[in-house]
Amino acid sequence: EAQVTQNPRYLITVTGKKLTVTCSQNMNHEYMSWYRQDPGLGLRQIYYSMNVEVTDKGDVPEGYKVSRKEKRNFPLILESPSPNQTSLYFCASSLLAGASAEQYFGPGTRLTVT
Amino acid sequence: QKEVEQNSGPLSVPEGAIASLNCTYSDRVSQSFFWYRQYSGKSPELIMSIYSNGDKEDGRFTAQLNKASQYVSLLIRDSQPSDSATYLCAVLAYTGGFKTIFGAGTRLFVKA
Repeated sequence: EAQVTQNPRYLITVTGKKLTVTCSQNMNHEYMSWYRQDPGLGLRQIYYSMNVEVTDKGDVPEGYKVSRKEKRNFPLILESPSPNQTSLYFCASSLLAGASAEQYFGPGTRLTVT
Repeated sequence: QKEVEQNSGPLSVPEGAIASLNCTYSDRVSQSFFWYRQYSGKSPELIMSIYSNGDKEDGRFTAQLNKASQYVSLLIRDSQPSDSATYLCAVLAYTGGFKTIFGAGTRLFVKA
């Protein structure tokens, strides 16, 4: 089944404890992206990757890191999480990094930082 | 001014009516436009994409794009209670890379 998977689905952590949220797609997609969704603010792009070893900042990259060493995986790293990073996170992918980038979303990761 | 604006709603329509959802955008280098549907507690799923001015129809859904007015809309004909969800407008812009900007979404309720 073609899909985008994220792990973990739910995570409660404490301020400053490094964490990684994994994202994997099995569709051979070039483009992958991370978003956070907060009430009233909608989806905001954190980072995106147009291909292996090519990443770029979205609108809200502060406090996050990403890497794209393999085409299928695009982990999101929070080196020192803070309470303002409490949010619902979505990973997405699309076949091409171009104008026809119709994105497919993972199930989401709900992160709480205390 | 936000880059992609939508009326947050809720928009309430009776079953069988036409639901009209609107979106305006401010970025003049926007290239592609998308409508996603998001049910409560679920991830967004793509409904329609539109790249050129005019209308694009797919079943009960019609997307309309007017680049001169920086306006994109989604019409849902014969609305069903199962259409009740939040509809997200997304704009893809090329700024050295392909960045996607979402509106905050419009909540739609279809009353049986």
